[in-house]
Amino acid sequence: NAGVMQNPRHLVRRRGQEARLRCSPMKGHSHVYWYRQLPEEGLKFMVYLQKENIIDESGMPKERFSAEFPKEGPSILRIQQVVRGDSAAYFCASYPGGGETQYFGPGTRLLVL
Amino acid sequence: QKEVEQNSGPLSVPEGAIASLNCTYSDRGSQSFFWYRQYSGKSPELIMFIYSNGDKEDGRFTAQLNKASQYVSLLIRDSQPSDSATYLCALPTSGGSYIPTFGRGTSLIVHP
Repeated sequence: NAGVMQNPRHLVRRRGQEARLRCSPMKGHSHVYWYRQLPEEGLKFMVYLQKENIIDESGMPKERFSAEFPKEGPSILRIQQVVRGDSAAYFCASYPGGGETQYFGPGTRLLVL
Repeated sequence: QKEVEQNSGPLSVPEGAIASLNCTYSDRGSQSFFWYRQYSGKSPELIMFIYSNGDKEDGRFTAQLNKASQYVSLLIRDSQPSDSATYLCALPTSGGSYIPTFGRGTSLIVHP
């Protein structure tokens, strides 16, 4: 997962606050995926983005969650009005397009108090 | 909807033994498969991928694919305590958007 950066690594929010998670893909990669992993659970796909486009957001809750990948800067996963059930590890994965696999970032551990 | 099933374990093996991890899938059209290892509190890392029926070996790891029976296995020879982790099976979509589906993972414990 060298090269994929996520920040912050740990984020604590109180219920009702907003959480912003950032992901910078590997150099040369224009595809970004966001996954959520609950304790003792597998990775759940949330959203797939290319620069300035959302390709597939079928795994993302319709309310409170949004994602973007602007032309410049990192991809951002935004969670509004967080609830305790949003506490999880959020992983970003970088993909070169046409390649064989994704490369995961270190993750952001979100804790909602 | 693609399904990827894994026994959550934990699978406990003694050091030096062969650990066998299995994954079954529902989509007969799936062509490639990936095995990821995830240490506790860390992110997944790719350890093997396999495209064709049969075995693929890489060091102590062997991936086995049986498309007719729709399962893929990962064998770890000479298991070490450092192999203790959760192993995730994944298969990508075929055609359209590339969106891998992950199994829940199998927890492996290698005890000295």
